[in-house]
Amino acid sequence: GDSVTQMEGPVTLSEEAFLTINCTYTATGYPSLFWYVQYPGEGLQLLLKATKADDKGSNKGFEATYRKETTSFHLEKGSVQVSDSAVYFCALSDQGYSTLTFGKGTMLLVSP
Amino acid sequence: DAGITQSPRHKVTETGTPVTLRCHQTENHRYMYWYRQDPGHGLRLIHYSYGVKDTDKGEVSDGYSVSRSKTEDFLLTLESATSSQTSVYFCAISVGTGGPGANVLTFGAGSRLTVL
Repeated sequence: GDSVTQMEGPVTLSEEAFLTINCTYTATGYPSLFWYVQYPGEGLQLLLKATKADDKGSNKGFEATYRKETTSFHLEKGSVQVSDSAVYFCALSDQGYSTLTFGKGTMLLVSP
Repeated sequence: DAGITQSPRHKVTETGTPVTLRCHQTENHRYMYWYRQDPGHGLRLIHYSYGVKDTDKGEVSDGYSVSRSKTEDFLLTLESATSSQTSVYFCAISVGTGGPGANVLTFGAGSRLTVL
């Protein structure tokens, strides 16, 4: 079945550092790929998405490129802020687009 | 803004008792979901609905049932709660006419359930 694998956290960075959170997937067909973010005490919210190979999703300085050849969708940001501290989830949709499968999440902690 | 209300937000119960969690949406979105979130497991799909009285199982559906008799309400029931069902439960809706692969999945604030 479909699955998503993310790097384990926590990822601890200083403010203004470069961020990469790795995500790889296994799926039949050509899923859409997503990054969701969960701030403390809240539900998840969509950060960015890409629906086909080589698409780049971007939002709030975060970027991820859909790489079909490496089945990856790594999240990057050039300069993190303390306010980016949260849990980040990579996810993919099934072929019928009716459900999302999530990775286990990666906690990011940014210190001043 | 897609309004989602989960109730109760916090509940403590004892093993063997029935528990029902409610998810209410203020708009007429077709797809609704129940996930559970546990440390080390991320989010796992319990059940979902693609219309009134149309539901399907997710990857961790054992011990749970759902009902959707109205578009706006999606109920999750634990018939006989066990300690392994202690978790944070999130309801989500797909905002739009399709599923979350095509649309944004919007989450409620969560319901924290503790089974003693």
